Amino acid sequence: GAVVSQHPSWVICKSGTSVKIECRSLDFQATTMFWYRQFPKQSLMLMATSNEGSKATYEQGVEKDKFLINHASLTLSTLTVTSAHPEDSSFYICSARGPTGSNQPQHFGDGTRLSIL
Amino acid sequence: QQQVKQSPQSLIVQKGGISIINCAYENTAFDYFPWYQQFPGKGPALLIAIRPDVSEKKEGRFTISFNKSAKQFSLHIMDSQPGDSATYFCAASMDTGGGNKLTFGTGTQLKVEL
Repeated sequence: GAVVSQHPSWVICKSGTSVKIECRSLDFQATTMFWYRQFPKQSLMLMATSNEGSKATYEQGVEKDKFLINHASLTLSTLTVTSAHPEDSSFYICSARGPTGSNQPQHFGDGTRLSIL
Repeated sequence: QQQVKQSPQSLIVQKGGISIINCAYENTAFDYFPWYQQFPGKGPALLIAIRPDVSEKKEGRFTISFNKSAKQFSLHIMDSQPGDSATYFCAASMDTGGGNKLTFGTGTQLKVEL
């Protein structure tokens, strides 16, 4: 149980385009999803927290107009990197957890490798 | 300000040996301490987690030791196997008032040699 699916796993696109990444909880309802960014050989850095039906909460230094997050249902959150540039190239990982107060751990997707040419 | 410090950065252990990774935290409001295992090109997978009301938790070959007064916790991997070679992250979060946001350590790259 507790499977989180992320799509696509790898994307290469030209500078200036927008890229959408999907994160789905396959066998549980995720009231909260998290988006992380990870550079090679580094730790995971939280970008934003996404709660179903409300606006995402962004961490300090993360541009909300650059990284658009939508959590329209209890099983799907999307991250759109708008007008992507080479410096946005990274490994993006989402995680999902169940209802607040249930002491549910975060379960991670397998990440999306984004390469901007 | 990094709130969870992890060491060592890398570790080489012989097959069958014990791998030990240490973490220290600063925020006493943290009340949940998970360990994640990550293979190259994959997302982190939850290994084992502990809460401050216990000093040790064991699941198979993996054991967490927790020292609340010292604000430290460690992961022990017994009988280490080549398949355990991966990057390990400790993390901490606050279930109450913290939104369950995980603060990760810097990671330890473990290599288990034959």
